[in-house]
Amino acid sequence: EVQLVESGGGLVKPGGSLRLSCTASGFYFNLYSMNWVRQAPGKGLEWVSSIDPTSGYIYYADSVKGRFTISRDNAKDSLYLQMNSLRGDDTALYYCARGGVTTLNYGAWGQGTLVTVSS
Amino acid sequence: DIQLTQSPSFLSASVGDRVTITCRASQDISGSLAWYQQKPGKAPELLIYAASTLHSGVPSRFSGSGSGTEFTLTITSLQPEDCATYYCQQLKSYPIAFGQGTRLEIK
Repeated sequence: EVQLVESGGGLVKPGGSLRLSCTASGFYFNLYSMNWVRQAPGKGLEWVSSIDPTSGYIYYADSVKGRFTISRDNAKDSLYLQMNSLRGDDTALYYCARGGVTTLNYGAWGQGTLVTVSS
Repeated sequence: DIQLTQSPSFLSASVGDRVTITCRASQDISGSLAWYQQKPGKAPELLIYAASTLHSGVPSRFSGSGSGTEFTLTITSLQPEDCATYYCQQLKSYPIAFGQGTRLEIK
């Protein structure tokens, strides 16, 4: 069974940092691109960042570029999101999502980890 | 950047109805479009990818069509468990974009 489990969320002050983790199981993690998607309370889905299987291609939304860093450790079947200089509008539920190998889609999602940025 | 516009934003329909949600892209994305269903308090789930391919395990009452800039998600014979918000997503190019969502209510 494919599973994605996020962790690392919490309450942080504006300007602070957090590191999110996503642990994968049930599939060959090193074959798949991985993604972070967030959802502010009561709002829609917003793509945040993507990383290819070998970390050779990395993409960010303009809203997080220069502040967030995506990375992965294929030996640990884990995806990360380092978030610095956090702002109030970063408050959201952050989902880890698996991309496709040969198809374009996000075929598996974690349950999310909540990040709240507030003083 | 590619923008996606879904319509309607809200839809109310009865069990057994056929409903259609439209997603328009600001530029040609060929068939690089996916549809997701999100129930309250849950993570999104993939319904359809490549515009018209049904994801494994998704009921056949869901279907997708379209290419280029206009796409539709159709649910035939609406069921109570279809109450959810539906999102389209373009995967043609970065930045990836989602539509703003369509909330479907069952009367």
